Amino acid sequence: QKEVEQDPGPLSVPEGAIVSLNCTYSNSAFQYFMWYRQYSRKGPELLMYTYSSGNKEDGRFTAQVDKSSKYISLFIRDSQPSDSATYLCAMVEGGGADGLTFGKGTHLIIQP
Amino acid sequence: DTAVSQTPKYLVTQMGNDKSIKCEQNLGHDTMYWYKQDSKKFLKIMFSYNNKELIINETVPNRFSPKSPDKAHLNLHINSLELGDSAVYFCASSQGWGTGFHSNQPQHFGDGTRLSIL
Repeated sequence: QKEVEQDPGPLSVPEGAIVSLNCTYSNSAFQYFMWYRQYSRKGPELLMYTYSSGNKEDGRFTAQVDKSSKYISLFIRDSQPSDSATYLCAMVEGGGADGLTFGKGTHLIIQP
Repeated sequence: DTAVSQTPKYLVTQMGNDKSIKCEQNLGHDTMYWYKQDSKKFLKIMFSYNNKELIINETVPNRFSPKSPDKAHLNLHINSLELGDSAVYFCASSQGWGTGFHSNQPQHFGDGTRLSIL
């Protein structure tokens, strides 16, 4: 059973705070992990893409993958009101044939 | 230029009609996908396709059929539309297919087609 759990929120934090978003999953065959940001009435926009366990940093964003715990995280530093959106985690096994398995998304609100 | 573009953005139609949604990507990718996002915002894969193979999610009714006139396009045809088909449909593309580190490069999405069935 491919299943990804993600708290839908909403998660509301003040501007400048560090935001932590998380997903857990049950399929140990997942190897590629992604975070997408989706604004209202827009398509998902790729933020981070990682392979297997470890950390990856890109500007204010840091993605962490712990395959032993089946747990992935996205950290946003110095959060801005423009970061307010829905954040979707997604993952896939080694092959691309199955498409991505998404979490249900966390609605993030950054208060000015 | 938009990397993955879908038309139309909005589609309102009667139950029982047949409709098509078009998707084009200018990224040079060789794999394209269709996803459905339901009213609870949950995104679910419908089809994965390259010029060699079509993978169909087993939960997708056979009223839905993807058609690819060329590598840059994957259109979605829907026959006999039902109320439950109301959703946002997203097209995506990626480079790579199959196993291995360089396969399944991240997918890039269009902005969706909002389908409403009356």
